[in-house]
Amino acid sequence: DTAVSQTPKYLVTQMGNDKSIKCEQNLGHDTMYWYKQDSKKFLKIMFSYNNKELIINETVPNRFSPKSPDKAHLNLHINSLELGDSAVYFCASSPPGDLTQETQYFGPGTRLLVL
Amino acid sequence: KQEVTQIPAALSVPEGENLVLNCSFTDSAIYNLQWFRQDPGKGLTSLLLIQSSQREQTSGRLNASLDKSSGRSTLYIAASQPGDSATYLCAVRPRTTDSWGKLQFGAGTQVVVTP
Repeated sequence: DTAVSQTPKYLVTQMGNDKSIKCEQNLGHDTMYWYKQDSKKFLKIMFSYNNKELIINETVPNRFSPKSPDKAHLNLHINSLELGDSAVYFCASSPPGDLTQETQYFGPGTRLLVL
Repeated sequence: KQEVTQIPAALSVPEGENLVLNCSFTDSAIYNLQWFRQDPGKGLTSLLLIQSSQREQTSGRLNASLDKSSGRSTLYIAASQPGDSATYLCAVRPRTTDSWGKLQFGAGTQVVVTP
């Protein structure tokens, strides 16, 4: 029973291409997140949606655009991919309630390599 | 600006020894601190969440302490097993007006338990 799933698991593409990563959670959570883990292993938050509304938007290039068609899905579209976008992208979700208290449940990650 | 540091970056111990993992943070204004486990090719799994008002949390062989005033947390794993081999990440939830559940991660400690 997959709780938070991401597709694809691996993505290899050329510089300048546009790509999307999809995330789905079947936990009934209201809040979903995108994190980026760079080569130094630091996980940094990029975006968060609560009930399909954007609530966190860190300093991320506007080539990155999240879309939440419903509470169970949060997709990430990246335009004009650059070498520096190579990283592991994690999706996460958290249950309804106080967002400062709830734990977050992570997907398996999408490994993006830009050549 | 909150910074989260984990030392050491890597640790190797023989099976049966106790593990001690350290996490430090620069700003004591936090809601809570979480410890996660990350296995290669997989997402993060939450191990323990300690609220800012708590001193420690325990789950099985795991015990995490929190000293908010000194900006430190320690994760103890008793009687380590090869299955404990993974990267352990700590994350704080900053107490800011725009926190919205934002987690700030350390770079992790990679643990290898040898049989």
